[in-house]
Amino acid sequence: GDSVTQMEGPVTLSEEAFLTINCTYTATGYPSLFWYVQYPGEGLQLLLKATKADDKGSNKGFEATYRKETTSFHLEKGSVQVSDSAVYFCALRGSNYKLTFGKGTLLTVNP
Amino acid sequence: GAGVSQTPSNKVTEKGKYVELRCDPISGHTALYWYRQSLGQGPEFLIYFQGTGAADDSGLPNDRFFAVRPEGSVSTLKIQRTERGDSAVYLCASSDLSAGGLDEQFFGPGTRLTVL
Repeated sequence: GDSVTQMEGPVTLSEEAFLTINCTYTATGYPSLFWYVQYPGEGLQLLLKATKADDKGSNKGFEATYRKETTSFHLEKGSVQVSDSAVYFCALRGSNYKLTFGKGTLLTVNP
Repeated sequence: GAGVSQTPSNKVTEKGKYVELRCDPISGHTALYWYRQSLGQGPEFLIYFQGTGAADDSGLPNDRFFAVRPEGSVSTLKIQRTERGDSAVYLCASSDLSAGGLDEQFFGPGTRLTVL
């Protein structure tokens, strides 16, 4: 079945540091890939997505590229802010409509 | 506009009791999903509705769990004979599958269920 493996946290960075959160997946066919974010006390929000190989999703300075050859969708940001502190979830949607999530990565950014 | 809402936000119950969790999707969204998020884990799929019918209930863990969506809008997740292992945050999401492929799932804030 479909599965998502993402870097386990927690990840602690200083403001303006570079961020990478690794995500790899296993799926049949051509899944769509997503990063969701959960800020403290809030619900899950879609951060970015990519629907086919080599697509790059981007939002709020975050980027991720759909790499079919390595089955990866790593999240990156060049300069994190304190306000980026949250839990980040990598997810895929396969041939049906359900989302399969990774376990989440807690990011803490210190001033 | 209004997002997905879920009630109650917190529910504490005793082992063996029956609970109902409610989800109000975004108006006009035809698809509705339930997920369960245990502590330290990502959300896990439970059931998916397209309109009034359950199109995929493969994620329901056992027959104590049941969900309905009688009028194609509000949905209720029902758990009978609750067990301590049912304690989790139950998330609801909805999406507009008529939006030409832009079928982003919008999540509600969740209901935190605690079974004592």
